[in-house]
Parts: sequence; structure tokens; C-alpha cells
Amino acid sequence: KAGVTQTPRYLIKTRGQQVTLSCSPISGHRSVSWYQQTPGQGLQFLFEYFSETQRNKGNFPGRFSGRQFSNSRSEMNVSTLELGDSALYLCASSVDRNMNTQYFGPGTRLTVL
Amino acid sequence: AQTVTQSQPEMSVQEAETVTLSCTYDTSENNYYLFWYKQPPSRQMILVIRQEAYKQQNATENRFSVNFQKAAKSFSLKISDSQLGDTAMYFCAFRTTEYGNKLVFGAGTILRVKS
Repeated sequence: KAGVTQTPRYLIKTRGQQVTLSCSPISGHRSVSWYQQTPGQGLQFLFEYFSETQRNKGNFPGRFSGRQFSNSRSEMNVSTLELGDSALYLCASSVDRNMNTQYFGPGTRLTVL
Repeated sequence: AQTVTQSQPEMSVQEAETVTLSCTYDTSENNYYLFWYKQPPSRQMILVIRQEAYKQQNATENRFSVNFQKAAKSFSLKISDSQLGDTAMYFCAFRTTEYGNKLVFGAGTILRVKS
């Protein structure tokens, strides 16, 4: 099976812009979670989607949003970008929500100038 | 709230030797999972091993094994016969049923394997 894929792999934006990141889970996986990784804050949970519904949200401002499509692919959007949004954004998928292991994609490196 | 603590920011080990990475966690939950993930310089997060809290037997995966002490809330990773390819950042992670697919990560331990 193909692993979790994320596009784009690298992205450079300027402050105030918005960005959309995409995640395609492993075939058959229906749960997608997003994490932000920065040197200062480490790995932090953003949100989780299952059956096209947000099931869980981390402590991030409303500028961070996401959605999931019927084929389980997910997108996350960050509006009005700030310098502090520069990070590696990781997507993880699992079969469902019941104690299953999450498998991570390669991440999208976002740089905000 | 659950927390995960990795007290060793950096460690090094000689090739072929054994090294143990420490992890402690705090939770009031009784049913949960614990994981070790590895993140090499490529930044790809790779699952190393997982442990179900209800299982007393420690998990093993080839050269990787854990020492799970539920009462002490401790979950250490032992890497035997260390290889250069084991050089990476290692993250301990915790997950409960309470918050669905939300992993709580420790700060990570950088492991350097020297030849």
C-alpha cells in the first residue's frame, strides 16, 4: 500500500497570505489528524477528521481550519499567515478512531516571510 | 491533561552497543496506548513500537524493546545492537480513548550512533 502523501512538500508564503495543505491517507484509512512541529513548541496536535467531520481540535486560533472529503483526503488551511506559523505540518492517518496506530506522511515545510 | 516527559535531550551510543531512552507520562486514564516514533534527518516520522496499557508483556520489535511500568508511568525504549541508521530524533507519544486520535508527544531525544 502507498503511504500517507502530503502536498506540497515545501511552501514559501508571506505574512497575511493564506495557504492550503493537502493530505491523502493510506488507502482504507478514514481518520486523518494534523500536527504542527516547531523547534520551540515541539509537536502539537491541530485537529482530527473522521467521516468528513472534525472530531477533535487542538489549542490553535481560528485561523487554522481543515476539512475532509468523502474519499478521506484532508486539507488544512491557514489564513492571515504569521511568521510564527512557519513549521513542519505533519498529517497522520489511521484506520479509524479506536486505538489504532497513526502513520505519518513526510510533512509540508511551510516558511512564512 | 496528559503530559509526556523525555528527560534526555541528547544521547550518543557506539555502534553495536545498547542504549535506553527514557519517557514518563502523566494521566488518570486506565486504558491507553504508548508509542515510540523515530524522526531521522529526512523528517519522516516512523513508528518504532507501540504498547497497549492493558498488556503486561513488554512490546518488542526486532532490536527495539520497551520497559513499560504502568504504576510508575514509565515507558523506556531499549535499542540493542545500535546501527548508524538509528541516528534520529526519538519521540515518545501517548494516546487515550478520551480524545480520539490525538497524540501527545514528548519533547524528543536526539540519538547519535557513532562508528
